[in-house]
Amino acid sequence: QKEVEQNSGPLSVPEGAIASLNCTYSDRGSQSFFWYRQYSGKSPELIMSIYSNGDKEDGRFTAQLNKASQYVSLLIRDSQPSDSATYLCAVDTGRRALTFGSGTRLQVQP
Amino acid sequence: DTEVTQTPKHLVMGMTNKKSLKCEQHMGHRAMYWYKQKAKKPPELMFVYSYEKLSINESVPSRFSPECPNSSLLNLHLHALQPEDSALYLCASSQGDKLAGQYFGPGTRLTVT
Repeated sequence: QKEVEQNSGPLSVPEGAIASLNCTYSDRGSQSFFWYRQYSGKSPELIMSIYSNGDKEDGRFTAQLNKASQYVSLLIRDSQPSDSATYLCAVDTGRRALTFGSGTRLQVQP
Repeated sequence: DTEVTQTPKHLVMGMTNKKSLKCEQHMGHRAMYWYKQKAKKPPELMFVYSYEKLSINESVPSRFSPECPNSSLLNLHLHALQPEDSALYLCASSQGDKLAGQYFGPGTRLTVT
C-alpha cells in the first residue's frame, strides 16, 4: 500500500463548477497535510495546509481533513481554466519531510 | 516573500563531469531539502538539512553529495552521474517545525548525456 494515494485523473470539470480532489494516507501518526499545485514544467506551489480535523478555507480553496478516516480533500470553487494543473497531496508523518501522492491532473473546460 | 532561488535553470553534463547545483533562500527558514522529480511523477525526497546539519539521507547514491555552507545556502554536488539521473532537481525550504509547509524553488532541469 502506498503511503499517500491519489486518483491520477484526469478530473475534468466545466468552468465555474466545484472540483473535488481526494487523498488518503496510511500512517495514522501523520501530523500535517498539504496541497500543492504544479503546472506542467514548473515547480510545486503550496496552496493549502491543514493540521486539525475539519475544514479550512482560503479564497476559492477549501481543505478538509478527517483523521479517523485518514483522508484529506481539496475543493476548488468556481473552477477556472487557469486552475488546470496537477494537484499533489503531501503528508508529513513527523519526520519533518514530505511524502507526496502521485498527483491528480485537473482539467477545467472553458 | 516566499522565494527560493536555484541555479542553473538548465544543466547538461556528461557522465564524467563534476557539476554543482545551488539553492538559496532568505526567509530565515531552518530546514532545506533536495528533491528529484522525474516526468509525470511526484517529487522524491533526497536529503534534508535541519539547522545546517544533514538529518535525512534517503539512501541516495554517493554520486550525489549535498552541502549546506550556511543557513541560507544549499548545494548539491554531482559526479559521475548516469543518464537515468536526468530529472528536475528541486530545492525547498521551510521553518522546520511540523506545521510548516515547504516552499519550492523553480528547479534545475538536469540532462546527463
